[in-house]
Amino acid sequence: SQQGEEDPQALSIQEGENATMNCSYKTSINNLQWYRQNSGRGLVHLILIRSNEREKHSGRLRVTLDTSKKSSSLLITASRAADTASYFCATDAYNYGQNFVFGPGTRLSVLP
Amino acid sequence: KAGVTQTPRYLIKTRGQQVTLSCSPISGHRSVSWYQQTPGQGLQFLFEYFSETQRNKGNFPGRFSGRQFSNSRSEMNVSTLELGDSALYLCASSGTGSRDTQYFGPGTRLTVL
Repeated sequence: SQQGEEDPQALSIQEGENATMNCSYKTSINNLQWYRQNSGRGLVHLILIRSNEREKHSGRLRVTLDTSKKSSSLLITASRAADTASYFCATDAYNYGQNFVFGPGTRLSVLP
Repeated sequence: KAGVTQTPRYLIKTRGQQVTLSCSPISGHRSVSWYQQTPGQGLQFLFEYFSETQRNKGNFPGRFSGRQFSNSRSEMNVSTLELGDSALYLCASSGTGSRDTQYFGPGTRLTVL
């Protein structure tokens, strides 16, 4: 089964609102990354958080990691229409013979 | 630096044929990973190459293979194509290893008829 699971599967908000997406995983990790994908294109790396970090910021993005609950959240503040995309969390499963394992993603729609 | 490039961007093949996809990583990157993305299965890891050696492999049949050249460029090959192989194939490169940030190319959209 997949290592990462995003929640919700889809999210629709108005411009200016905040968007929060959650990711849960099952096994121990070294780091967790968030990526964005615009409509069938390549993935764009947003942020990497290591297992010994609890929170990280990058511009309007805030990521938290709770290793005790095996979960992470991505907060996008003051959303814009250009933030409309799918967001994926990826956990490294290197110790399990895999590479990065991606969740199914959250489809975010930001309405103008 | 130029980003990850993938060729071709779009491809249409018929069942039973074979296909080769190409990926050029960011200059200086030695790790190249391949992923398959479908609406039903999401993003699934195919394999990773580092310094011309396959370092990790996902759970795909032997019809899926790859290689990496001395300049870090990578190719993946799918033989005896099936309808279910229709997908977006993404290549990602990273600097020192698979635990680093991966930089993705735009993908190759493969349609099998």
